[in-house]
Order: sequence, then C-alpha cells, then structure tokens
Amino acid sequence: SQTIHQWPATLVQPVGSPLSLECTVEGTSNPNLYWYRQAAGRGLQLLFYSVGIGQISSEVPQNLSASRPQDRQFILSSKKLLLSDSGFYLCAWDTGTGTEAFFGQGTRLTVV
Amino acid sequence: GEDVEQSLFLSVREGDSSVINCTYTDSSSTYLYWYKQEPGAGLQLLTYIFSNMDMKQDQRLTVLLNKKDKHLSLRIADTQTGDSAIYFCAEGGSQGNLIFGKGTKLSVKP
Repeated sequence: SQTIHQWPATLVQPVGSPLSLECTVEGTSNPNLYWYRQAAGRGLQLLFYSVGIGQISSEVPQNLSASRPQDRQFILSSKKLLLSDSGFYLCAWDTGTGTEAFFGQGTRLTVV
Repeated sequence: GEDVEQSLFLSVREGDSSVINCTYTDSSSTYLYWYKQEPGAGLQLLTYIFSNMDMKQDQRLTVLLNKKDKHLSLRIADTQTGDSAIYFCAEGGSQGNLIFGKGTKLSVKP
C-alpha cells in the first residue's frame, strides 16, 4: 500500500540553528513531491515541488531549500532558522495524473 | 484517531451544481477548510469556515457545516469546466496540525 512518512511531528529550534525535515514515500515510484507551509491564520503555501530526482522548483523566495536525493525522499532544510520560519510544514505526493494526493502527518516547527 | 473522509470522484454537467461532501472526526477542530488542486499545481485555499458557523457563502461557493454530524459540504453553483480539479477537505486538528481527506476529483462535462 501507499504511505507517506514525515518526521518529526513537532520541533522546537532556536533562531540561527539548522533545520532538516524528512519525508519518504512508500508503495509508488516517481511521485510528484511537495512541501507546503501553513503559517498561523493562513492557508497552505506551496514552498517546493519536485517531479523527479534532483528536480526542485521553488514557489517563493525564502530561507529554506529542498532536495530530492532519492526517488521517494524529499528533504526540507535551512542553514539558519528565522523566527518567521515557525509554522506547520506538510509533505505531500501525487502521481501527477490528476487523481488523489496523499499527505504526511505534518511537522509543527516553533523557532524560539 | 483523527480522520477525514470524502468520496474520491464526482462527475457533473456544466451549469449544474456540484456538492462535495466530507466527514471528519475531531470535534475540537477550530477551522474546516476546502482546498483545490488543479493539474500540475499546488493546493489553493478556496474557503474555510469557523467551527461555530453553519454556513458560509462566497460567490459561487457555499460551505455547509453540520457540527453535530461532523459533516462538511462544498457546493459549487453553475459549475464550469474550469472547476475541474481535485477538492480537498481539511480540518484543523487538536494538535494545531491540518488533517486532509484524500480529495474528490470533480469532472465537469460540457
């Protein structure tokens, strides 16, 4: 069966520290992968999407970067966190064929 | 545990109304959301409803919330071919996270 794992579920990091959130997918190959963020009081904002290994598209300029070292692994990173990076981060995947999408459990990041 | 359920497919004719239904389990959800995903694009927030409201209308969109039955619906009036997309229901979970349904693919036939 198809599943998606995202960790950690919650994270508290000091300003200026690095960040690495990982997302892995099982049960499919060559998925489209997405990183979203929801800041307090706002809807989801698409941060990055990837249609294949090493192919990353960024929707908004920011303090974050993404990488896809393997077909079913998507990593969200930052070298130095800012207070404004606090939020709820969600990983998702779909097949790119216009059918259902699958979402990770999300990571609640608090930068202090 | 927290869960959101919605049917996977809906097909309507252009000009008709579309109703997409969703059930959720977390009664402590503060907000309930409808997102739209068009082919090749990310999720777009369509509308949301605060949990103490029964209805919210925004142009062609009407959201109905039955908190007792934990049932949320999205009605699209005068459905157009451009409305063809996947529609996701989501609830704000008790841990402050978002929980999504798997999405309903809306197909609009001319």
